[in-house]
Amino acid sequence: GESVGLHLPTLSVQEGDNSIINCAYSNSASDYFIWYKQESGKGPQFIIDIRSNMDKRQGQRVTVLLNKTVKHLSLQIAATQPGDSAVYFCAEPPSVNMLTFGGGTRLMVKP
Amino acid sequence: EADIYQTPRYLVIGTGKKITLECSQTMGHDKMYWYQQDPGMELHLIHYSYGVNSTEKGDLSSESTVSRIRTEHFPLTLESARPSHTSQYLCASSTGRQEKLFFGSGTQLSVL
Repeated sequence: GESVGLHLPTLSVQEGDNSIINCAYSNSASDYFIWYKQESGKGPQFIIDIRSNMDKRQGQRVTVLLNKTVKHLSLQIAATQPGDSAVYFCAEPPSVNMLTFGGGTRLMVKP
Repeated sequence: EADIYQTPRYLVIGTGKKITLECSQTMGHDKMYWYQQDPGMELHLIHYSYGVNSTEKGDLSSESTVSRIRTEHFPLTLESARPSHTSQYLCASSTGRQEKLFFGSGTQLSVL
């Protein structure tokens, strides 16, 4: 079929290292952001979210950092494992009831 | 774990056939969505619904249609499939304002 959009960038890391995946957003009024993980052949799964009144939020092995000044979001994965290999999308709501997905980054973990 | 289901998981059909991709959720979510995604590419919103009898087209133009007769069910139909429709179709649902989406496993459609 005809492909739409851009091919995703790839981040390759060694198993055990930390991974940092970046995302830029466009709407300065966005007050909520979500990171999703999509494994091959599956639908995206929620990882972590953050509201704009926070700069940092931590989960299990994951941390999301929000820099509202430069409209930048990052997802940090500690001690990256082979099971972390997936495509990671950030999403923001351009309107009240809608989420817009960023381009995504493919994370490849080398054993 | 999300309770949103898509069938079929894989579908291979010939050009010109009419098909319906099924999506059901048991979470009572008002909002449901259809996304199209090519391998290794971005997600693109093609249809969404805020509730029963509410359907809207998304950002990406699509020749498909949707219906929302029941809260839990949001089927997508292609009246006459073409090879350009070959893609993965992902259904999602959410509740509330600016809440996270729950995704199904997707339907991989191949039109020959």
